[in-house]
Amino acid sequence: EVKLVESGGAVVQPGGSLRLSCAASGFTFSSYWMSWVRQAPGKGLEWVANIKQDGSEKYYVDSVKGRFTISRDNSRKGVYLQMNNLTVDDTAVYLCAKGRSSWYMEAFDMWGQGTVVTVSS
Amino acid sequence: DIQLTQSPATLSASVGDRVTITCRASQSITSWLAWYQQKPGKAPSLLIYKASTLETGVPSRFSGGGSGPEFTLTINSLQPDDFAIYYCQQYDSSPTFGGGTKIDIK
Repeated sequence: EVKLVESGGAVVQPGGSLRLSCAASGFTFSSYWMSWVRQAPGKGLEWVANIKQDGSEKYYVDSVKGRFTISRDNSRKGVYLQMNNLTVDDTAVYLCAKGRSSWYMEAFDMWGQGTVVTVSS
Repeated sequence: DIQLTQSPATLSASVGDRVTITCRASQSITSWLAWYQQKPGKAPSLLIYKASTLETGVPSRFSGGGSGPEFTLTINSLQPDDFAIYYCQQYDSSPTFGGGTKIDIK
């Protein structure tokens, strides 16, 4: 079964840090770009970051550049999101998503259920 | 960034109706457009990619059409399971999503 399971969400104060994890199973993890997408409470979807199969290329939405870092460990079939200097605007459900093919630009054919990040004092 | 504008934001319909949602891109995205369905508390689910290709396992009552800049998602004969929120997404460049269309029961 193809599965993505996120973890690491928590309540954190503004300015704090958090590291999210996504564990993949059921597919050849090292063959796909992986992304993080977030959804603020009651809002739509926002792509946050993605990472190439070998980790050599990473891209971010402007609002998180310099604060968030995406990484992956193909041996562990995991993708991670290190989030620093968090603000209230980062409050959201963070979802891990798999590209449909090995191509850089792709639709997302598999999603995790998400992990909740709440930034509040 | 490429902006996607979905319309309508909310659509009230009945079981058996044919409904169409529109997604307009702020610039050319050729056919690099996907459609997702999301139900409350659940992750999105891919319905259509490359504007008109049905994802495996998705019922044939769903169809996608159009080309830059305007795309459509049509659901023929709406079923009870189809009441949900639908999002378009472009992947011509850094991914962006439309604001969503909620289909509720009339």
